[in-house]
Amino acid sequence: EVQLVESGGILVKPGGSLRLSCAASGFTFTNAWFNWVRQAPGKGLEWVGRIKTETEAGTTDYAAPVKGRFTISSDDSKNTLYLQMDSLKNEDTAVYYCTALVGAAFPYEYWGQGTLVTVSS
Amino acid sequence: SYELTQPPSVSVSPGQTARITCSGDALPKRFVYWYQQKSGQAPVLAIYEDSKRPSGIPERFSGSSSGTMATLTISGAQVEDEADYYCYSTDTSGNPLFGGGTKLTVL
Repeated sequence: EVQLVESGGILVKPGGSLRLSCAASGFTFTNAWFNWVRQAPGKGLEWVGRIKTETEAGTTDYAAPVKGRFTISSDDSKNTLYLQMDSLKNEDTAVYYCTALVGAAFPYEYWGQGTLVTVSS
Repeated sequence: SYELTQPPSVSVSPGQTARITCSGDALPKRFVYWYQQKSGQAPVLAIYEDSKRPSGIPERFSGSSSGTMATLTISGAQVEDEADYYCYSTDTSGNPLFGGGTKLTVL
């Protein structure tokens, strides 16, 4: 059974940093593209960024609102995806979901249950 | 910047056909995907590559795309289909992008 479990969401002050984790199981970790998607309270889904497989050089891409502040990485030995968030702003408050696209091919896409990040003074 | 445009809300009675649209200038060259998100839950893929249905999604869900508009159709909508629906595609840089979402009410 495929599982994605996010963790690390907390209350943090504006300007602060936070690292989210996403522990994956049930599929070959190195054979998946991973995305982070967020959803502000009462709002729609927003793509944050992604990391491709090692066969594609582990390339990362980011949405404009987070580029230069957020960094996606992975630890293949731990089957874990990370989202390092720096220079946090109030508008980064959201539930953060990790998703895995196994084999980089639909419909083999899976979502975690999300972790809440609150940025407030 | 590139956007995918959805109506904010659609309302139907049980048993009627619900249609949710998604428009974007790049859609003629891009696949469209549809997600269903029920209250308090993570999104679930309902349609992929314009019109394909993942296993476990009821047959009443279908998708189509023509020109700059894609449509999610729920034939004979049920009360349990009440949810937010999001279209998803890629922008001109190949980066993923969600539409603003449509709240489907079935009552």
